[in-house]
Amino acid sequence: GAGVSQSPRYKVTKRGQDVALRCDPISGHVSLYWYRQALGQGPEFLTYFNYEAQQDKSGLPNDRFSAERPEGSISTLTIQRTEQRDSAMYRCASSLSPTSGYFGTQYFGPGTRLLVL
Amino acid sequence: GQQVMQIPQYQHVQEGEDFTTYCNSSTTLSNIQWYKQRPGGHPVFLIQLVKSGEVKKQKRLTFQFGEAKKNSSLHITATQTTDVGTYFCAGPGGGGADGLTFGKGTHLIIQP
Repeated sequence: GAGVSQSPRYKVTKRGQDVALRCDPISGHVSLYWYRQALGQGPEFLTYFNYEAQQDKSGLPNDRFSAERPEGSISTLTIQRTEQRDSAMYRCASSLSPTSGYFGTQYFGPGTRLLVL
Repeated sequence: GQQVMQIPQYQHVQEGEDFTTYCNSSTTLSNIQWYKQRPGGHPVFLIQLVKSGEVKKQKRLTFQFGEAKKNSSLHITATQTTDVGTYFCAGPGGGGADGLTFGKGTHLIIQP
C-alpha cells in the first residue's frame, strides 16, 4: 500500500478483555516498530522487528503485552487482560533499513486508539 | 536510561514571527531525527542529522546538531498557519535498545 495502515482505528474494550492491534507496513520495509503515545506526549518505544525476528522488546511494559510478525510483513500487538492504564494511542512505524543504531526514515501509521473501560 | 528533553513545551507565536525549539540529550547521540505531528495526525519525518555541528535547511526550517552531539534545535522563520503542530526530536534508544527515544515535543500554536 501507499503507507502504513493500522486496524482497527478505534477500539473500546472492557477491562480484562484481550485485544489485538494490527499493523500493515509499507511493502518492502524490513523494520517494523510499535510505539505507544499518550495524549500530549511523544511516542514511547515498545518493540521492534527486523523481518520476522523480534529484535528488541525492552519497551514492553509487562508480560501482558506481546507482538509478532510471523511472515515478516503484517504485525500484531496483543494486550492480554487489558487494564484502564493501557488506554492510549498505539502507533506502528516501518522503515526500509534494518541497520541497528542508525535509522532510516520511520513512517508512522495513523494509530489505533484504545480505550479500556 | 537515555532521556531526550525538549523546551519549550508550548509556544504561542503571531503568524510571521520566528519559532525555535530545543532538544537536549543526557548522552551523546549518533544521530537525531525531527518529526512533525499535526493535530489529530501522526508523526511525519522531517530530517535526520548525523554529523557534529551539522546544519540543514528545508525552506523556512533550519536544523542544527550540536558540536558535542548532545543537543539540537529547529528554527522556523516567518511562521505560517501551516506550521501548526507538535515538533518532536528523537534519538536512538539508550542501553542498546533499537527504538527511538522521543522528546515530549513542542506544541506550536500560531495566532493569525
